[in-house]
Amino acid sequence: AQSVTQPDIHITVSEGASLELRCNYSYGATPYLFWYVQSPGQGLQLLLKYFSGDTLVQGIKGFEAEFKRSQSSFNLRKPSVHWSDAAEYFCAVGARFGNDMRFGAGTRLTVKP
Amino acid sequence: DTGVSQDPRHKITKRGQNVTFRCDPISEHNRLYWYRQTLGQGPEFLTYFQNEAQLEKSRLLSDRFSAERPKGSFSTLEIQRTEQGDSAMYLCASSLGETGGEREAFFGQGTRLTVV
Repeated sequence: AQSVTQPDIHITVSEGASLELRCNYSYGATPYLFWYVQSPGQGLQLLLKYFSGDTLVQGIKGFEAEFKRSQSSFNLRKPSVHWSDAAEYFCAVGARFGNDMRFGAGTRLTVKP
Repeated sequence: DTGVSQDPRHKITKRGQNVTFRCDPISEHNRLYWYRQTLGQGPEFLTYFQNEAQLEKSRLLSDRFSAERPKGSFSTLEIQRTEQGDSAMYLCASSLGETGGEREAFFGQGTRLTVV
């Protein structure tokens, strides 16, 4: 069965520092992988997605993620965090958008001034 | 605003009452999804429509839950005889499905249900 694990429930970083959010997945075939961000009271916004090809994926807002098949990981990174990045981040895996997509429990990011 | 809209944003109801939520997808999107998100968890898939056809329902969708998408436009999610365990954020998303792959699913802001 497919599943997603986000090991860090809560992360705090200083503004301007680098960020890495971890995501490990379990999937029986070649996965489609996604990172979404959710601000308080808002819906989910897609940051980036991986379907195939280059394993380093660039997204919006300066985020990137790297697919590592050998480690079953799809970690999200940003070189310099801004205060507006404070939010909840969700990793998801599936064969396609929607009915076959499974989300992790999320990582809450706090940014210190 | 041309995004996915959900109504109401918040609903407080007494246990045992029925509630209905509405989702208006992006106009050209043929696929519509409902998810439930409880505190501290990621969204869980509930059901999925392609146009007006409900193609899949999760086992999470008990017989107290029903969803419709008449005419393939807006969708409603009804919960009958609400229970405290139904308290959650109900998220709707839509996408433009196409042969050979799907485009991004866009999420609404959700309806937060509190059952007291």
